[in-house]
Amino acid sequence: DTAVSQTPKYLVTQMGNDKSIKCEQNLGHDTMYWYKQDSKKFLKIMFSYNNKELIINETVPNRFSPKSPDKAHLNLHINSLELGDSAVYFCASSQGIKGQETQYFGPGTRLLVL
Amino acid sequence: SQQGEEDPQALSIQEGENATMNCSYKTSINNLQWYRQNSGRGLVHLILIRSNEREKHSGRLRVTLDTSKKSSSLLITASRAADTASYFCATGDPSGSARQLTFGSGTQLTVLP
Repeated sequence: DTAVSQTPKYLVTQMGNDKSIKCEQNLGHDTMYWYKQDSKKFLKIMFSYNNKELIINETVPNRFSPKSPDKAHLNLHINSLELGDSAVYFCASSQGIKGQETQYFGPGTRLLVL
Repeated sequence: SQQGEEDPQALSIQEGENATMNCSYKTSINNLQWYRQNSGRGLVHLILIRSNEREKHSGRLRVTLDTSKKSSSLLITASRAADTASYFCATGDPSGSARQLTFGSGTQLTVLP
């Protein structure tokens, strides 16, 4: 009965590879997000999707591409991984569109690029 | 730029003591939320206080909001070892045009048994 789930939990890969992280929410929420948390625990919004449409696309490299097949899923694909991409990536969801509502977070995906 | 700044960055207390964390922000807000993050886990929502509220309670948590000073505090009373976590404040803008919450840098709370 997990509300927001992410896979995989850990991802170790070589520089230059392409990888995907999947996210699913069963809360019936309209909006989903991807955040990046760095080693200092600073949480930065990357993308926001509402009903499969991109709302926010913060300044992230275009190597990162979100894909939302339906409003319960928001996947993150990363091309040509770089060392600086190593971080924890969190998916979250909320009801409504304004982004001010309570957000529910997944457990995170720990990405390590070697 | 970062909206919220938590203070202190780290706090260490004994079990049973109270813990107070502060959050300052820069622009007008619609609401302010506090989240907890246990080590290796995702963030969990604790409490939301609206801009027209001054104080809110939830169990051992007490949140205050002073919009004139653009600051909020989170008080955890009678702390327990299980309260050890990072605590983040997050703000939403009044117009909703930003379509996002902006998170602070967090306070790492350690409760010693």
